[in-house]
Amino acid sequence: GDSVTQMEGPVTLSEEACLTINCTYTATGYPSLFWYVQYPGEGLQLLLKATKADDKGSNKGFEATYRKETTSFHLEKGSVQVSDSAVYFCALSGIRWGAGGTSYGKLTFGQGTILTVHP
Amino acid sequence: NAGVTQTPKFQVLKTGQSMTLQCAQDMNHEYMSWYRQDPGMGLRLIHYSVGAGITDQGEVPNGYNVSRSTTEDFPLRLLSAAPSQTSVYFCATRDYGYTFGSGTRLTVV
Repeated sequence: GDSVTQMEGPVTLSEEACLTINCTYTATGYPSLFWYVQYPGEGLQLLLKATKADDKGSNKGFEATYRKETTSFHLEKGSVQVSDSAVYFCALSGIRWGAGGTSYGKLTFGQGTILTVHP
Repeated sequence: NAGVTQTPKFQVLKTGQSMTLQCAQDMNHEYMSWYRQDPGMGLRLIHYSVGAGITDQGEVPNGYNVSRSTTEDFPLRLLSAAPSQTSVYFCATRDYGYTFGSGTRLTVV
């Protein structure tokens, strides 16, 4: 079945350092890929997404490129800020069938990576 | 627009008690779903609904019931709570993308 593997955390950086969080996936077909961010005490927010190979998603200085040949979707940012401290989830969306015969866009999440940025 | 509203934010239950987690949305999205978040496991789909009157099971449905009588509401019921159901629960809707509620942190003792 589908799976997403993220680099082990936690990740601790100083402000203005470069960030890379690795994400690789296993899926059949051509899934859409996402990065979600969860700030303390809040729900998940969509950070960026890519729907086909070689697409680059970007938002708030973060970028990730859909690499089908390496089945990867690594998250990068050139200069992190203290406000970027959060948990980051890589996810993919594929189509699945429920027991009752309806289909749904199944989101498969990685385990999350905790990022802490110090001043 | 409130988006997706979940209540309560926190709840402590004793083993065997029942409760309902509420989820309401004001975006008129047909698709609604419930996830649980456990440390090191990301989010896992419990149940989902593709419209009023239509629900189906996700990855981890056991111990949970749902119904969808209106487009706006999608409650999640625990009939007899167990410690294994201690988790953070998120409701999410989907249109062109997913919108998550802020979560309910449930502890079963």
